[in-house]
Amino acid sequence: QKEVEQDPGPLSVPEGAIVSLNCTYSNSAFQYFMWYRQYSRKGPELLMYTYSSGNKEDGRFTAQVDKSSKYISLFIRDSQPSDSATYLCAMSAVGRDDKIIFGKGTRLHILP
Amino acid sequence: DAGVIQSPRHEVTEMGQEVTLRCKPISGHDYLFWYRQTMMRGLELLIYFNNNVPIDDSGMPEDRFSAKMPNASFSTLKIQPSEPRDSAVYFCASSFGTSGTGELFFGEGSRLTVL
Repeated sequence: QKEVEQDPGPLSVPEGAIVSLNCTYSNSAFQYFMWYRQYSRKGPELLMYTYSSGNKEDGRFTAQVDKSSKYISLFIRDSQPSDSATYLCAMSAVGRDDKIIFGKGTRLHILP
Repeated sequence: DAGVIQSPRHEVTEMGQEVTLRCKPISGHDYLFWYRQTMMRGLELLIYFNNNVPIDDSGMPEDRFSAKMPNASFSTLKIQPSEPRDSAVYFCASSFGTSGTGELFFGEGSRLTVL
């Protein structure tokens, strides 16, 4: 089992829809959870950052962490064509070797 | 700041040739990372440096790969000899103060094609 699993998609949704992106993980030591967004032919950029369990909201984006289920989610409300990108979940464990482990990414297409 | 700068953006070479990828991190950042991205394997960490010192190179696939950081503003990733399976996008990233809990700033990548 890989440390971080993420459905590669592609996921196509109409403009204005709510998007749900998810990752599962196997390492219970992970404490820091991140979502990176990567546009085509660009490097990833940090979108959301959460420590431990709970929710975090930033504008149209909400990140959720459920450590009991080893499951994290990113919700995008009122999706826009400009949200079309690949979304990579990422996580790390403090006190371990502090490496950030990335999921493979989910390709998202918002249809105008 | 200009961000993380990588060169070349694209490289096409023949099997057996030496490839050198270059990276200039953001000024003041003390961590530097080299990642490789493919459709099959996603984004994989190859090696990272702290204050120019290699900390973890367990992701370097083989002895054909080597990385150096001679000073705080420059790093290279070298593949010698290159093979078709090395074809990928190679990203350099930098961060300040932490390797695992802070924001990584990525360059735009070097797309390598080995024929």
